[in-house]
Amino acid sequence: KQEVTQIPAALSVPEGENLVLNCSFTDSAIYNLQWFRQDPGKGLTSLLLIQSSQREQTSGRLNASLDKSSGRSTLYIAASQPGDSATYLCAGGYFTGNQFYFGTGTSLTVIP
Amino acid sequence: EPEVTQTPSHQVTQMGQEVILRCVPISNHLYFYWYRQILGQKVEFLVSFYNNEISEKSEIFDDQFSVERPDGSNFTLKIRSTKLEDSAMYFCASTGMNTEAFFGQGTRLTVV
Repeated sequence: KQEVTQIPAALSVPEGENLVLNCSFTDSAIYNLQWFRQDPGKGLTSLLLIQSSQREQTSGRLNASLDKSSGRSTLYIAASQPGDSATYLCAGGYFTGNQFYFGTGTSLTVIP
Repeated sequence: EPEVTQTPSHQVTQMGQEVILRCVPISNHLYFYWYRQILGQKVEFLVSFYNNEISEKSEIFDDQFSVERPDGSNFTLKIRSTKLEDSAMYFCASTGMNTEAFFGQGTRLTVV
């Protein structure tokens, strides 16, 4: 069974700091990996999708990488802002149209 | 930007009652999903749907649950006889062929 783990569960940083969120998966036959943001009581907002043939994707201050051989993905947030405070979830897909396996999330607080 | 729309945003129902949660996926997407998230817990997969049939379902998706795409645009989740433990946020999602998944804002279901 595919397992996705996110460490740390919570992270608090001062504004302006660069930070890295980690996502680990047990099955390296991953098809794609997607990072989401979730604000309290809200839905999931897609941030970045990395296909298995790619090593990284960038969008603005966000950069996500994927290393299938080590079973890891990271989300790098540059120059963090208080508005980045949210829970960040990673989800791995293994077959088109089948479920994504979600991690437990990292709750990020950026302190002004 | 395209979006997945869910209605209602909140639903309160009595135990044993039937509920139908509605979703309008992104129009050119092919795969449709329901997930749920119990307060403070992980996002859990319920079911995926493709070409008018279920392609994968989880252990949670028992005989009390059903899905339907009645008219080519709406995608519904029915819970026949709700239990207290069905209280959760229910998310609908859709994807194209190997594209990023878009999630709706969710329906908060409270069973009393």
